[in-house]
Amino acid sequence: EVKLVESGGGLVQPGRSLKLSCAASGFSFSDYWMGWVRQAPGKGLEWIGEINQDSSSIIYTPSLKDKFTISRDNAQNTLYLQMSKLGSEDTAIYYCARAILWVFSFDYWGQGIMVTVSS
Amino acid sequence: DTVLTQSPALAVSPGERVTISCRASESVSTGMHWYQQKPGQQPKLLIYGASNLESGVPARFSGSGSGTDFTLTIDPVEADDTATYFCQQSWNDPYTFGAGTKLELK
Repeated sequence: EVKLVESGGGLVQPGRSLKLSCAASGFSFSDYWMGWVRQAPGKGLEWIGEINQDSSSIIYTPSLKDKFTISRDNAQNTLYLQMSKLGSEDTAIYYCARAILWVFSFDYWGQGIMVTVSS
Repeated sequence: DTVLTQSPALAVSPGERVTISCRASESVSTGMHWYQQKPGQQPKLLIYGASNLESGVPARFSGSGSGTDFTLTIDPVEADDTATYFCQQSWNDPYTFGAGTKLELK
């Protein structure tokens, strides 16, 4: 069974940094592109970015490219999202997701982790 | 960025046929996908590559379109289909989502 479990969320002060993790199991993690999507309270989905199998290609939505960094550790079957200079606009549920090979839609999603940016 | 435009909301009766549209600001070929999201849950993939039904998704769901105009069809609609439906394109970098269409049952 494919499972994606996010962790590392919570309350963070404006201007600080936070690193989310996504533990993957039930599939060969190193064979798939992986991505992050977020959803602000009561809002729609926002694509953050994706990383390829060996981390040689990482793509971001332009507005977040200077703030967020996606990485992965295939030995640990874990995906990461490093977030810096956080503001209230970054308050959201953050989802990690697996991308279908060659199609790049997300076929499996984690349950999401809440990040609240507030003083 | 490729902007995806969806109607905000629809209301239909159970048993009816409903079409949810998504229009792209530029061609995305067949790189369009559809997701269903119910309150408090993560999104669920329904259709990928414009018209391919994801495994385990009922055949009541279907997708069509190419280029800039896409449609998700549910026929017949059931009460459990109450949800928000998002389109997403993965043809042009950065990939983008539509704002979602909230489907309500009468």
